[in-house]
Amino acid sequence: DTEVTQTPKHLVMGMTNKKSLKCEQHMGHRAMYWYKQKAKKPPELMFVYSYEKLSINESVPSRFSPECPNSSLLNLHLHALQPEDSALYLCASSQAGTNEQFFGPGTRLTVL
Amino acid sequence: AQRVTQPEKLLSVFKGAPVELKCNYSYSGSPELFWYVQYSRQRLQLLLRHISRESIKGFTADLNKGETSFHLKKPFAQEEDSAMYYCALSRTSYGKLTFGQGTILTVHP
Repeated sequence: DTEVTQTPKHLVMGMTNKKSLKCEQHMGHRAMYWYKQKAKKPPELMFVYSYEKLSINESVPSRFSPECPNSSLLNLHLHALQPEDSALYLCASSQAGTNEQFFGPGTRLTVL
Repeated sequence: AQRVTQPEKLLSVFKGAPVELKCNYSYSGSPELFWYVQYSRQRLQLLLRHISRESIKGFTADLNKGETSFHLKKPFAQEEDSAMYYCALSRTSYGKLTFGQGTILTVHP
């Protein structure tokens, strides 16, 4: 398996909902990333996990809560989001010690 | 601070014409540079990295440290090259990729 998978593909949620995004890879990569991408804009880094430990948090609001339960899985828990959080959320992974990141297809999130 | 600049938001060429997508960066150390491509309705995928010096899909890019540039070139553009192209820079062994704003390339028949 040489791909990063993300579920769900689409998610619509209200501002009071709690939901989670899931990312999975079976390439043996030990670094995993969450990015946010607005339409026609570049991805913006949110979080980096290295060996299942959070190593970078780009000052993301606490309504986004990442979790890395094991080396293959990365979750992003969402709570009390705002309409401006609507975006494509991308997961990526890489071998430890390299910067060649492999991206998933993304989850398109709409916050009503 | 590291920064990546792609001066052209849009670039249009005809099929068979040469194409060059510009990328300039600012970083005081030794950067690692990449080109990523995002075709319509597809995931972001790595096209080139300067370390490997490969030619992928006919594209090449040379790191010019003197001019702090990493321009992407292809001698004969094809319609299937139409996509969004991002230049990206990284300075650590893992972690932060800094992307440019992207260039939308359209290749007309």
